[in-house]
Amino acid sequence: DTAVSQTPKYLVTQMGNDKSIKCEQNLGHDTMYWYKQDSKKFLKIMFSYNNKELIINETVPNRFSPKSPDKAHLNLHINSLELGDSAVYFCASSQFTDYGYTFGSGTRLTVV
Amino acid sequence: GENVEQHPSTLSVQEGDSAVIKCTYSDSASNYFPWYKQELGKRPQLIIDIRSNVGEKKDQRIAVTLNKTAKHFSLHITETQPEDSAVYFCAASPLGGDKIIFGKGTRLHILP
Repeated sequence: DTAVSQTPKYLVTQMGNDKSIKCEQNLGHDTMYWYKQDSKKFLKIMFSYNNKELIINETVPNRFSPKSPDKAHLNLHINSLELGDSAVYFCASSQFTDYGYTFGSGTRLTVV
Repeated sequence: GENVEQHPSTLSVQEGDSAVIKCTYSDSASNYFPWYKQELGKRPQLIIDIRSNVGEKKDQRIAVTLNKTAKHFSLHITETQPEDSAVYFCAASPLGGDKIIFGKGTRLHILP
């Protein structure tokens, strides 16, 4: 029974396409996040939602648009994909930041 | 905002020896310091954490120390084993903060 699940696990697409990644958590947490992990393994926060409300929007191109239909789901839609968008995208959830995150298994996005 | 520096970026240790990874943080309001382990192709997983009211915490072969005055915290792994090979991330979160800031990671290699 996966706590934080992401789909798809792998995504290969051409430049200029639009794609979505979905995330769901069954932990009852109030806060969900999207992190981007680049080829050097650096984990950088992109967005955070608390109970469906956007609370963090880091300096991310506006081609990236998160959506949270309810507190258990957080999706990421990316328009006009670019080569530099290739990375692993992790969804995470937490009840409070000082109790740590539970990460999803990641989505490896490759833009060709 | 918070900035977390992590050293070294790569560490090779003979099996059975100890490994130490060091981090510094900039925001004196940070009070929660988790450590995550990420095995190849897997998600980051919380392995141990420490809060600012504690100077040291131990869990079997893993220990973390915190020096609030110097804004340093460290991860110590004793009697290293092959399965300890992974990327380790330190992180910090300020009191009441809305996100965890990660260090850039340390790739730990356990040599046979």
